[in-house]
Amino acid sequence: QSVLTQPPSVSGAPGQRVTISCTGSSSNIGAGYDVHWYQQLPGTAPKVLIYGNSNRPSGVPDRFSGSKSGTSASLAITGLQAEDEADYYCQSFDRSLRGYVFGTGTKVTVL
Amino acid sequence: QVQLMQSGAELKKPGASVKVSCKASGYTFTGYYLHWMRQAPGQGPEWMGWINPDSGGTNYAQRFQGRVTMTRDTSISTVYMELSRLRSDDTAVYYCARAYLSESYYFDYWGQGTLVTVSS
Repeated sequence: QSVLTQPPSVSGAPGQRVTISCTGSSSNIGAGYDVHWYQQLPGTAPKVLIYGNSNRPSGVPDRFSGSKSGTSASLAITGLQAEDEADYYCQSFDRSLRGYVFGTGTKVTVL
Repeated sequence: QVQLMQSGAELKKPGASVKVSCKASGYTFTGYYLHWMRQAPGQGPEWMGWINPDSGGTNYAQRFQGRVTMTRDTSISTVYMELSRLRSDDTAVYYCARAYLSESYYFDYWGQGTLVTVSS
């Protein structure tokens, strides 16, 4: 059902940098709609990590950064820490569906 | 502090309806749209629709139209989501979330989630 595609999993050692891609289309990301990123720890609700493509809410470490280009967006985590193990979702708006859409989700594992 | 407190877990039979509540506190209830999402086991969130707590206006995702109804009670700062004609694939955790407008809408606060299980 998801119209935004993410890799199922990424992994890295502590301190390393990992990136998560979010691929959409001309009716969502490519149409100019912003991308937002959420972190979901097991058994909890999603929490906003990046809003408006590249902005961090107060309290989110600057190890997290976001970017957008064309029909895709990316989330980067630098200086990976054990506490970053979680599921990550991108989110945007789709004008064909006339609604909000989420990515397929990526599980980050810290080796 | 902003809080969205949802009602407890529900077990329903196929064909029944479920009504989940979401009580807001810590901000002006009528100042922000509230959205409902659901998340099936092992999947990403799925947007269901929104309600404007001020006017009561609603907008539902196409795939839920005809089955979902969102309402609000401003006297107790609570919104409700009712889903009818339940099927086994409606089993999911249902969330309410506040929409915040930066240059676009994103969901800045979420409820704790309500597990709805549909089983005979």
